[in-house]
Amino acid sequence: AQSVSQHNHHVILSEAASLELGCNYSYGGTVNLFWYVQYPGQHLQLLLKYFSGDPLVKGIKGFEAEFIKSKFSFNLRKPSVQWSDTAEYFCAVTLSGGYQKVTFGTGTKLQVIP
Amino acid sequence: EAGVAQSPRYKIIEKRQSVAFWCNPISGHATLYWYQQILGQGPKLLIQFQNNGVVDDSQLPKDRFSAERLKGVDSTLKIQPAKLEDSAVYLCASSLAYGMSEQYFGPGTRLTVT
Repeated sequence: AQSVSQHNHHVILSEAASLELGCNYSYGGTVNLFWYVQYPGQHLQLLLKYFSGDPLVKGIKGFEAEFIKSKFSFNLRKPSVQWSDTAEYFCAVTLSGGYQKVTFGTGTKLQVIP
Repeated sequence: EAGVAQSPRYKIIEKRQSVAFWCNPISGHATLYWYQQILGQGPKLLIQFQNNGVVDDSQLPKDRFSAERLKGVDSTLKIQPAKLEDSAVYLCASSLAYGMSEQYFGPGTRLTVT
């Protein structure tokens, strides 16, 4: 069965620390990959997405993610976090083409300490 | 542009009662999704509409859940009768199309079944 794993459930960092959140998927075909973020009290919103091309994708607010096909991974990174990055982050995956269901990971809560 | 609207925002019911949630997607978005997000988990797709047709309802508990999108615009999700395990946030999202399109999420309805 298709699945998405986010192994870090809760991450606590100090401001200016570097961030890397893991996302691994088990899909047997070409995939589209997403990171969504939910800030406290706000809706889920798209952070970045990968469909094809350059495996290093840049998103909003200085976030980036790298698609490593051989590792079935799409890790999210930010070189220097801010207190305002405190949020829950969800990785999501879908197969390319046709009507394909999006599967979300369980999420990672990031807490940035000033 | 106006975002995805959902109502009510909160609902408390007793088990075996019925409840309905409403969603109005972003104007022009052909695809509408209903997700269930249980505390500590990622969103799980319940049903996906393309215009007024169902694309995927494989994870919808059809013995108690139903959904419709009669005119290809707004949608209603119903639970009848509710169980304790239905306590969750019900998210509605919409996108221009399926698969590669970004999903825009509403604020969700938090359902508590007692």
